[in-house]
Amino acid sequence: SQQGEEDPQALSIQEGENATMNCSYKTSINNLQWYRQNSGRGLVHLILIRSNEREKHSGRLRVTLDTSKKSSSLLITASRAADTASYFCATDFQGNTPLVFGKGTRLSVIA
Amino acid sequence: DVKVTQSSRYLVKRTGEKVFLECVQDMDHENMFWYRQDPGLGLRLIYFSYDVKMKEKGDIPEGYSVSREKKERFSLILESASTNQTSMYLCASRPTTGTGELFFGEGSRLTVL
Repeated sequence: SQQGEEDPQALSIQEGENATMNCSYKTSINNLQWYRQNSGRGLVHLILIRSNEREKHSGRLRVTLDTSKKSSSLLITASRAADTASYFCATDFQGNTPLVFGKGTRLSVIA
Repeated sequence: DVKVTQSSRYLVKRTGEKVFLECVQDMDHENMFWYRQDPGLGLRLIYFSYDVKMKEKGDIPEGYSVSREKKERFSLILESASTNQTSMYLCASRPTTGTGELFFGEGSRLTVL
């Protein structure tokens, strides 16, 4: 059962620009996480935002969460070619239940 | 440093073969997961395990089984591989108490001919 839906599916930007990816989900969550995947590799955890938080920063990453709209956004500022990857949101629920991943946004940063 | 190791990065098997995908984590995590990833479908959960000898079906368990005889090892078994099981398989783990972050292996790309 797919919970998160990322938007857009693909995004192409120039180096130095900001990249924004959105994630919508359907049911109440404990937290929402963002992951990055380089082509052909495993996923790497980027940032986690709890349901009682509205915004979180980590380096060039900024994540927002709007529980009333059941949506989150990931902003990457001053993008670099090395940011080229797929980005996934994953929703986490109460208790020890598995994360549910969206289909991802494929980001291309052109030098 | 946290490590999840998947035994094979690339495998090519024939239809009907029995396939074992092995995953080992060195972090003493209770929870382990197998996902498959296909273009346009994202990550889908096949099986997961909360503890040794425990297993739970995920969203797409058909055609798969799992084994967790030791805490650090979670194996995915394809009893009789079929071409529609050609995919990227991702293993992950996390502790029961923690932030909820998942730690992934590098993936195993399986091609069934």
